[in-house]
Amino acid sequence: EIVLMQSPATLSLSPGERATLSCRASQSVSSNYVAWYQQKPGQAPRLLIYGASSRATGIPARFSGSGSGTDFTLTISRLEPEDFAVYYCQQYHSSLPTFGQGTKVEIK
Amino acid sequence: EVQLVESGGGLVQPGRSLRLSCAASGFSFDDYAMHWVRQAPGKGLEWVSGISWNSETIAYADSVKGRFTLSRDNAKNSLYLQMNSLRAEDTALYYCAKGVFGLVIAVLDYWGQGTLVTVSS
Repeated sequence: EIVLMQSPATLSLSPGERATLSCRASQSVSSNYVAWYQQKPGQAPRLLIYGASSRATGIPARFSGSGSGTDFTLTISRLEPEDFAVYYCQQYHSSLPTFGQGTKVEIK
Repeated sequence: EVQLVESGGGLVQPGRSLRLSCAASGFSFDDYAMHWVRQAPGKGLEWVSGISWNSETIAYADSVKGRFTLSRDNAKNSLYLQMNSLRAEDTALYYCAKGVFGLVIAVLDYWGQGTLVTVSS
């Protein structure tokens, strides 16, 4: 099983600031099979990024993904009020997809 | 508009069974893999199971293998999760999710609102 560790657990930022979320895998994720999801309280998760860097349909350009191997990053260039939420990374390389434990982006 | 509507959750005693359903609409159901993902109260996401477009490939998390059975009926645009020998640790909100691909590759672009399963005596 590939274990994903997200850091930090909580990120306290102000609207307009840049957010950088990290996801580290316990082993290399080939073909960059990493996705990122956003979840707001009481809502289902929403796909943001797949293939490490491809934005899903309808996702604003302020969201970007990068990385390879074992280290992946989700960047939100300028936080909008609606971006404060929990973010999960996920690997789908292995036959057992796994999620990170999540990073909460909260208003400072 | 893509819609996924889960049903079948509820309170069940340990060791008993429950069958979840997911009714899909707004897309060509028989072109895509479908998945279940669960979220225990206050916790993160856990992938449970996925099924390919034609049911030829079905995969399970180790935590449910041998107890849960995933199936689909493309004629009815429906997905089913038969859960047997339920345990307290199966308590969670169960989401039905659509895969981006026809194969069991867990990139999940649409999710339902979930159905709550509570396993308790």
